[in-house]
Amino acid sequence: EAQVTQNPRYLITVTGKKLTVTCSQNMNHEYMSWYRQDPGLGLRQIYYSMNVEVTDKGDVPEGYKVSRKEKRNFPLILESPSPNQTSLYFCASSSTPLGQGGYEQFFGPGTRLTVL
Amino acid sequence: AQSVAQPEDQVNVAEGNPLTVKCTYSVSGNPYLFWYVQYPNRGLQFLLKYITGDNLVKGSYGFEAEFNKSQTSFHLKKPSALVSDSALYFCAVRDRDNYGQNFVFGPGTRLSVLP
Repeated sequence: EAQVTQNPRYLITVTGKKLTVTCSQNMNHEYMSWYRQDPGLGLRQIYYSMNVEVTDKGDVPEGYKVSRKEKRNFPLILESPSPNQTSLYFCASSSTPLGQGGYEQFFGPGTRLTVL
Repeated sequence: AQSVAQPEDQVNVAEGNPLTVKCTYSVSGNPYLFWYVQYPNRGLQFLLKYITGDNLVKGSYGFEAEFNKSQTSFHLKKPSALVSDSALYFCAVRDRDNYGQNFVFGPGTRLSVLP
């Protein structure tokens, strides 16, 4: 089954304790992305990756890191989480054949993060 | 810079009536446009997209959307609403001429279909 998986689904942590949220897709997609969803703000993009070893900042990258060492995985790293990073996080992927950006994204189930 | 507006936070409609969820966008080039739906405690599901060609696009679950370039709009429509359509709907845009840029989502519109 084609899917995007995220782990963990729920996480409660404390300020300053480094954490990683994993994301994996089995569709051989080039493009992967991380979003956070906050009430009234919709989805805001944190980072995206056009392919292996190619990443770029989205709209709200502060406090986050990503890496893309393999095509299927795109982990989100919070080096020193703060309470304002409490949010619902989504990973997404899509196919982006060269010169074509009109492919929809497939979303993971979400990770609800609480930073105390 | 790209942006998406969904002017209504909430749309209420009676079951069986037509529904419209509005979306307007701004991009420097030409757009790819998308609609997604989010059910409670779920990720986003793709509904439909406009790439090129016919301005009226049809998607999943009986939804359709009309691309209007002059009004920079991409409103989502359904002829007859179902209670099960109640969910959060997001419009998204990507700049066709700079496709390396990110997707931008609107703030979402909550649709409530009343029995």
